[in-house]
Amino acid sequence: RKEVEQDPGPFNVPEGATVAFNCTYSNSASQSFFWYRQDCRKEPKLLMSVYSSGNEDGRFTAQLNRASQYISLLIRDSKLSDSATYLCVVKSLSGSARQLTFGSGTQLTVLP
Amino acid sequence: DVKVTQSSRYLVKRTGEKVFLECVQDMDHENMFWYRQDPGLGLRLIYFSYDVKMKEKGDIPEGYSVSREKKERFSLILESASTNQTSMYLCASSLLGAGGETQYFGPGTRLLVL
Repeated sequence: RKEVEQDPGPFNVPEGATVAFNCTYSNSASQSFFWYRQDCRKEPKLLMSVYSSGNEDGRFTAQLNRASQYISLLIRDSKLSDSATYLCVVKSLSGSARQLTFGSGTQLTVLP
Repeated sequence: DVKVTQSSRYLVKRTGEKVFLECVQDMDHENMFWYRQDPGLGLRLIYFSYDVKMKEKGDIPEGYSVSREKKERFSLILESASTNQTSMYLCASSLLGAGGETQYFGPGTRLLVL
């Protein structure tokens, strides 16, 4: 079983739609959680951290459910520029303090 | 802005060749990482370094070695390239302390081994 699992998609949604991605992680000792964004043929970049109480950054909302070991990302009012692959990232204490584990990503295409 | 640069965007090598991939960061970050990214497998950690001359194996170190002689530079070496090392290679850096969870990536090197 992969340590971090995501639905690869693709998710094809119209502009203005709301879309949600989930990610599950297997290590209950995981401590920190993030969403990274990777545009086509580009490097990954941090989108947002995920806090226990949930957090919002503009149109993006991240949630963490420790009991069920999943993380979610909600994008409201989708824009064409949101088209990218979204990577779920987990940091676990059982591994090296400096290591992150990346999911394989969920591909989103926002259609005009 | 943090800048991480990689020596090549595209490389084509032959089986058995020795391959050097170089990465340089300009933000005085202690941590540096080498990943490979393959479809369906995501990013997998090859090696990382938290200080000059220090290195630790990641999840898939076999067939690779690394060198960190200066803080800003982290090199990945394929001693004898094989076709299964065809991949996208990404270098990243981060701070050692708080905030170190944010990794800054270079643009990647697409390596094709024939």
